[in-house]
Amino acid sequence: QVQLVESGGGLVKPGGSLRLSCAASGFSFSDHYMSWIRQAPAQGLEWVSYIDSNGGTIYYADSVKGRFTISRDNAKNSLSLQMNSLRAEDTAVYYCAMLSNHHVGQWGQGTPVTVSS
Amino acid sequence: HSALTQPASVSGSPGQSITISCTGTSGDVGDYNLVSWYQQYPGKAPKVMIYEVTKRPSGVSNRFSGSKSGNTASLTVSGLQAADEAEYYCCSYAGGHSPWVFGGGTKLTVL
Repeated sequence: QVQLVESGGGLVKPGGSLRLSCAASGFSFSDHYMSWIRQAPAQGLEWVSYIDSNGGTIYYADSVKGRFTISRDNAKNSLSLQMNSLRAEDTAVYYCAMLSNHHVGQWGQGTPVTVSS
Repeated sequence: HSALTQPASVSGSPGQSITISCTGTSGDVGDYNLVSWYQQYPGKAPKVMIYEVTKRPSGVSNRFSGSKSGNTASLTVSGLQAADEAEYYCCSYAGGHSPWVFGGGTKLTVL
């Protein structure tokens, strides 16, 4: 079955960096667009970043542009999010998401990121 | 693109039907038949219930249905059950460099 397993979350100080990873299995990873979506505590969902199947097209939400970098390794069925210059407002659960026909066909379980001194 | 507008909460009794609205603009909901709906229980990841406005993924109950008129999409849940109590989010493709926008979420309470 389709599985997305995130890792790399944790507590980091403002201005610090963190790298999230997502291990994909159970589907043809290289055929699917992927995204990172986050959810701040007791808040709604916010789309963070998108990458197409071969990494040729990448988009970011304005709130993270210039600070976050999405990447993928189709040989290893993995998706990453490098997060730099972290701010308190980046505190959230970060979900890895498999896109199908412009919707999220599968979500990971999420990895929590807390930015606090 | 600004967030799509959803009511903060809706409620209904078991067996009844409820509808959750999701209002966007001509740049997102109105322009694309690419609205999806997600159900989320506390502490869990969301799950897709409806995609492309009206389509149901395999395994999702036919009590869930979607529709769209102009800039407003709707999710209808018929024959309410206690298990339907959850947060529901709409999402629309919006094109451009910020391709997707979510609604703020609606808490469905089954009385």
